[in-house]
Order: sequence, then C-alpha cells, then structure tokens
Amino acid sequence: EVQLVESGGGLIQPGGSLRLSCAVSGFTVSYKYMSWVRQAPGKGLEWVSVIHSGAGTSYADSVKGRFTISRDNSKNTVYLQMNSLRAEDTAVYYCARVVATPEGGAFDIWGQGTRVTVSS
Amino acid sequence: AIQLTQSPSSLSASVGDRVSITCRASQGISSALAWYQQKPGKAPKLLIYDASSLESGVPSRFSGSGSGTEFTLTITSLQPEDFATYYCQQFNNYPLYTFGQGTKLEIK
Repeated sequence: EVQLVESGGGLIQPGGSLRLSCAVSGFTVSYKYMSWVRQAPGKGLEWVSVIHSGAGTSYADSVKGRFTISRDNSKNTVYLQMNSLRAEDTAVYYCARVVATPEGGAFDIWGQGTRVTVSS
Repeated sequence: AIQLTQSPSSLSASVGDRVSITCRASQGISSALAWYQQKPGKAPKLLIYDASSLESGVPSRFSGSGSGTEFTLTITSLQPEDFATYYCQQFNNYPLYTFGQGTKLEIK
C-alpha cells in the first residue's frame, strides 16, 4: 500500500528549529519528486518545497534560506529541516508525492499532516 | 510568479445541483492545472490533473475544462460528500507549484 506518514511536529519557540519526517511506503522515494505543502490555521494551501529524483531542491520564497528538504534513500524518508522559525510558519505540514503527467504533474498521494506551532 | 485566482471564494448549493468553480492564472499555463478537494481536518485529494483528466477512482460527476489562463471545475448532481473546499494548482511554472486560494462549497 502506498502511504506517506509525517512526524516531528510540535510546539516550538520563535527562532527555534524542528525537523519533520515523511516516511514512505509502497514506492521508492529516490525515484520520485517529493514535496512539502503547508496550511496555516483557517487558511489555504501553500507549496513549501520540492526535492527532485536527482536530489535537486527548490523552495518557496517565504522559506528560502531557512528550510532545507532532504531525503534518506536507505530509510525511504523525506525530511524538512526548519530553522529560524517564525509565528507565521505555524501550520499543518503535509508531505506529498509529485507524479509526472503529460502536461505537467500533480500531487497524487498525501500524508495525513503534522502540526507545527511556533509560539512563546 | 504565476498567481491563481479562484472564484467564487465560497458558494452555497443544494444536493443535486450543478456547480462550477473558476480558476484564472495570471499568465498562460497551457493545461498544467490540477484540482483538489479538501475536507475539514483531512489532507487534500487529487480530483483532476492536466486540466481535464479525471484521477482514477474519482466519480465522473467531477469534470475539468480549460487551458491557457481560464479553467473550470464542474460538479454535476452534487452529493452530500462533495461539500468541501476545492483548490486549483498550477504545474507550468516549475518548480513553483502555486495553489489558488480555495473555494468553499457549502450546503444551502
């Protein structure tokens, strides 16, 4: 069964760091693009970051320089290292698989999300 | 960066109605658009990709159309389980996978 399971969320003070994990089962993470998407309380979806099958990475401007996406192929897991956290980073963070389609792509598989709260 | 604007932001409808949601892109994105459904407390679910291709397992009452800058998600014969928030997302401006702001579909 294809499944994504996020973990690592919690309450953290402003300026702190947190590492989120996305454990993948049912496919090999190194063969796919994987992305993180977040959703602030009561707000819409915001794309955060992507890691390519070739290990290249990209970030939204709102997190560039503070967040780092990576993966461990031996653990079939994707990570999001979040540093210098701000109150506006408070959100549910979702891991998603990016599937290639003839015209572009789509996020076809999503995890259940992990909640991050940045507050003193 | 490409921006996606959905309209309306919310709408009320009844079971059995036909509804349409529009997503406009700030510049042409060919057919590189997906639609998602999200219910409260749940992860989004892919409905449509490439503007008009139905994801496997999604009921045929959902359909997508459009290309370039204007796209539409149509739901025919609304069912109780369809009341949710819907988002569009573009894949043309790789790798910035922008989402629209969402459209909340409520029961009238």
